[in-house]
Amino acid sequence: GDSVTQMEGPVTLSEEAFLTINCTYTATGYPSLFWYVQYPGEGLQLLLKATKADDKGSNKGFEATYRKETTSFHLEKGSVQVSDSAVYFCALGRGSYIPTFGRGTSLIVHP
Amino acid sequence: DVKVTQSSRYLVKRTGEKVFLECVQDMDHENMFWYRQDPGLGLRLIYFSYDVKMKEKGDIPEGYSVSREKKERFSLILESASTNQTSMYLCASAGGDRDNSPLHFGNGTRLTVT
Repeated sequence: GDSVTQMEGPVTLSEEAFLTINCTYTATGYPSLFWYVQYPGEGLQLLLKATKADDKGSNKGFEATYRKETTSFHLEKGSVQVSDSAVYFCALGRGSYIPTFGRGTSLIVHP
Repeated sequence: DVKVTQSSRYLVKRTGEKVFLECVQDMDHENMFWYRQDPGLGLRLIYFSYDVKMKEKGDIPEGYSVSREKKERFSLILESASTNQTSMYLCASAGGDRDNSPLHFGNGTRLTVT
């Protein structure tokens, strides 16, 4: 069945550092891929998505590229801010209304 | 913007009580979901509904039921609350594109059962 694997957290960075959160998936066919973010005390919200191979999703300085050859969708940001501290979830969706979520990766950014 | 509203942010209930968690969305979405979120376990799907009066079990339906009498409202019911149901509960909705529609989440209800 479909599955999503994210790197374990927490990831701890200083402000303005480069961020990578790894996400790999297992699925047949060509799923859509999503990153969601959950800020403290809130629900999840869509951060970005990509619907086909080589697509790049981007939002709020975050980017992720759909890599079919490595079945990956790593999240990157060039310079993180304290306000980016949150939990990040990778997810895939295919042929079903129910996405498959990763376990989430906590990001802590220090001033 | 889609708005998904959960009626309570925090609830404290006693063991054995019947508990209702309410969720309303304002975008005419066909699909609605209830998840629970626990540290180290990520999101786990309890129930979902793809139409009024329709429901499907998710991964952990035991101890829960749901009701969807109107398209915009999806209720989660704990028939007899137990301490192991202490958790964060998240409601979500999604539109009709099976592959590409993202989920829109409410802010969650943190339920404590004592």
